[in-house]
Amino acid sequence: AAGVIQSPRHLIKEKRETATLKCYPIPRHDTVYWYQQGPGQDPQFLISFYEKMQSDKGSIPDRFSAQQFSDYHSELNMSSLELGDSALYFCASSLVRGGSYEQYFGPGTRLTVT
Amino acid sequence: QKEVEQDPGPLSVPEGAIVSLNCTYSNSAFQYFMWYRQYSRKGPELLMYTYSSGNKEDGRFTAQVDKSSKYISLFIRDSQPSDSATYLCAMTPYNTDKLIFGTGTRLQVFP
Repeated sequence: AAGVIQSPRHLIKEKRETATLKCYPIPRHDTVYWYQQGPGQDPQFLISFYEKMQSDKGSIPDRFSAQQFSDYHSELNMSSLELGDSALYFCASSLVRGGSYEQYFGPGTRLTVT
Repeated sequence: QKEVEQDPGPLSVPEGAIVSLNCTYSNSAFQYFMWYRQYSRKGPELLMYTYSSGNKEDGRFTAQVDKSSKYISLFIRDSQPSDSATYLCAMTPYNTDKLIFGTGTRLQVFP
């Protein structure tokens, strides 16, 4: 079965640079979620989109923005990167329209800020 | 205090043992409960999903929810070395999307 696809899998950036992370949800899923997982920590919710509209927002810094496109893929844009932004970034998807709140996670993008 | 508490372990058991993993939570608005398995540097893999009190079984896994006690459990029967991973409980309140995770319990099953 098709899973959530994330790209790139690894990304190295310098402080103050920008980064763009991409997420392709499971086909026919209508909701995308972004999470950040620091070393040794549990995933922290950043933001979600349902049918291309922002549906919920968590502890996402103002330097970050995200959107969901007409083909349902999503991008997380991160600017003025800081050392503390180094983490695993996960995208998850679900089919909320079908009444399911099960979230399926992608393999993650490992961001290293130097 | 975190909304979802989970013993970080590590929990070390012999192959074939029954494993019990637990989480407690403080927010009575939590309605949907999930268990994820995460191997090192990989994405969380959904194991079990439930939204009501009681038991749900899937193969070697049984999820148990007790809303009155705000307590959830995951049981793994006939544990295998391949079950060695971090197990995260997660839950979401009604009318919101975000999953609130426990800190995860690291499980090691030795042959």
